[in-house]
Amino acid sequence: DAGITQSPRHKVTETGTPVTLRCHQTENHRYMYWYRQDPGHGLRLIHYSYGVKDTDKGEVSDGYSVSRSKTEDFLLTLESATSSQTSVYFCAVQAGTADTGELFFGEGSRLTVL
Amino acid sequence: GQNIDQPTEMTATEGAIVQINCTYQTSGFNGLFWYQQHAGEAPTFLSYNVLDGLEEKGRFSSFLSRSKGYSYLLLKELQMKDSASYLCAVLDSNYQLIWGAGTKLIIKP
Repeated sequence: DAGITQSPRHKVTETGTPVTLRCHQTENHRYMYWYRQDPGHGLRLIHYSYGVKDTDKGEVSDGYSVSRSKTEDFLLTLESATSSQTSVYFCAVQAGTADTGELFFGEGSRLTVL
Repeated sequence: GQNIDQPTEMTATEGAIVQINCTYQTSGFNGLFWYQQHAGEAPTFLSYNVLDGLEEKGRFSSFLSRSKGYSYLLLKELQMKDSASYLCAVLDSNYQLIWGAGTKLIIKP
């Protein structure tokens, strides 16, 4: 258990509204990630962070932004939610070094955009 | 492009052995991971291979052939609790993880 909590766990919102998902970790891991998981697709990386205020885009970053003002918190924001962003969102932290460390995932946040 | 292929679904019998295959085509290779994901839950780490050969960990083993771009996860003495999706992921040359869509394993009594 890497002490990762995500909030909210479930959210239903309407198209065009802003949404922020929070990932909180208690073990001071440097690397944090936001993924989305959809049926028929592998986990797809949205954004990741390699330190406070150090973030970078993943393969599906359009429509998403992130912030990391503290080591323990990594926020994912959908500025104006669309139905295509209905998904399950997972936060993950990396244990160990960047090249071999396994990922520990939060419980996931299920987002429905109507 | 980068691609990871695994079967969508497999069915096996309790107590039996099942092999889940994963083939990959990626820009570079820095290791291959297997994760287990029960329905409605988060993925959890099972194994990591970076060199060719078989890594055994209890009832689970993972094999890698880098020259063939191929790996498999072998599950022995299947139990009902092994019903889950199994995700294959490859670390590419930029140390980015490329994920397969997962194999849903159904265990029947």
